[in-house]
Amino acid sequence: AFQMTQSPPSLVASVGDRVTITCRTSEDIRNDLGWYQQRPGKAPKLLISASSNLQSGVPSRFRGSGRGTHFILTISSLQPEDSATYYCLQDYNYPYTFGQGTKLEIK
Amino acid sequence: EVQILESGGDLVPPGGSLRLSCVTSGFTFTSYAMTWVRQAPGKGLEWASGISHYGDNTYYADSVKGRFSISRDNSKNTLYLHMNSLRPEDTAIYYCARGIMDFDFWGQGTLVTVSS
Repeated sequence: AFQMTQSPPSLVASVGDRVTITCRTSEDIRNDLGWYQQRPGKAPKLLISASSNLQSGVPSRFRGSGRGTHFILTISSLQPEDSATYYCLQDYNYPYTFGQGTKLEIK
Repeated sequence: EVQILESGGDLVPPGGSLRLSCVTSGFTFTSYAMTWVRQAPGKGLEWASGISHYGDNTYYADSVKGRFSISRDNSKNTLYLHMNSLRPEDTAIYYCARGIMDFDFWGQGTLVTVSS
């Protein structure tokens, strides 16, 4: 069965820090992976599509990279509003699968 | 302005049925496939189902296949999720999202609680 592993489950960082979140898949999914941000009590928001395509209006401190089975979301120069849970999603084949999520706390 | 509004969530007993609706506006509905994503309380996101622009192709998570049915009424700009044989583990907020990949607009969700 297709496996998707997102890490770390949680992290704590300070304003101005750079953080990375990783998703690994058990099969090659080309670049068919997106990243979503979900703030508490809110609907998810699409940040990045096709591994590295930044959505309109999303700050440039968010960057996605990777292809195949290894993908990375990098957030540089953290801001207080970046406190949220981040999810990757493979949309290469059905059924689509989200990663387990990474809860980012800004201290 | 794109707007997506889900409704129909309720408290239902195990084995019961429910129909969720997702009314959209602000974009050409027939230009987009649509998707349902759910989130159990305190848990992560789970992709549940998707449907193509004209409804001729539908897709389901293994956890809902055979029990849930996705459909759309393009004349009403509305997406549906028909849920049968509901189980306690179906308890979740159900989100409607635009797209079949890259879900760029989401509603605020509707809560389904399956409990006796």
